[in-house]
Amino acid sequence: DQQVKQNSPSLSVQEGRISILNCDYTNSMFDYFLWYKKYPAEGPTFLISISSIKDKNEDGRFTVFLNKSAKHLSLHIVPSQPGDSAVYFCAASEGWYGNKLVFGAGTILRVKS
Amino acid sequence: DVKVTQSSRYLVKRTGEKVFLECVQDMDHENMFWYRQDPGLGLRLIYFSYDVKMKEKGDIPEGYSVSREKKERFSLILESASTNQTSMYLCASRSQDPGLQETQYFGPGTRLLVL
Repeated sequence: DQQVKQNSPSLSVQEGRISILNCDYTNSMFDYFLWYKKYPAEGPTFLISISSIKDKNEDGRFTVFLNKSAKHLSLHIVPSQPGDSAVYFCAASEGWYGNKLVFGAGTILRVKS
Repeated sequence: DVKVTQSSRYLVKRTGEKVFLECVQDMDHENMFWYRQDPGLGLRLIYFSYDVKMKEKGDIPEGYSVSREKKERFSLILESASTNQTSMYLCASRSQDPGLQETQYFGPGTRLLVL
């Protein structure tokens, strides 16, 4: 059973608008969450993370929101740019220093110009 | 800049062949990982190593083994390749230093096709 779920396989957004990618988890022991971005033929690269002691973390155009009671997190990209088109993976671990990351299936984001 | 390299970008092998996938990192990281990425399943951890000659099974170790003889190198071995091991294989590394809030750095991946 998947402990980290990204229920939207793909998302299409107009350039300049907001992209919202969602992620749900089932393991209540997870307390550190990350988003990775992956372009074709490249490895995933780290984008942003959040610890369970926070409910929001912001880095430029990227903001991650965490709702612990709902076991849900989301990544907001504002404004979306064509270069943001990629696969986005949500990942979780027990403790920020946890060695094991559990990944979701990924969401393909297409930003149309 | 952290660099994680993988020996091959594409590999085609026959069923039953022994396959070696090599990964090298240049940042003196203690931890190294092997994942496979499949559509609809995301990245799944096969094995990881937290130090030289140390290894732990991940979520899907069956059919795989690993070797970590040197700190910078982590090898994934498919003892007898099967068609269900056709996948994208990703290596990652990370520092063990508690003073650094490090994430995992990934290599570019090896796309393996087993015929």
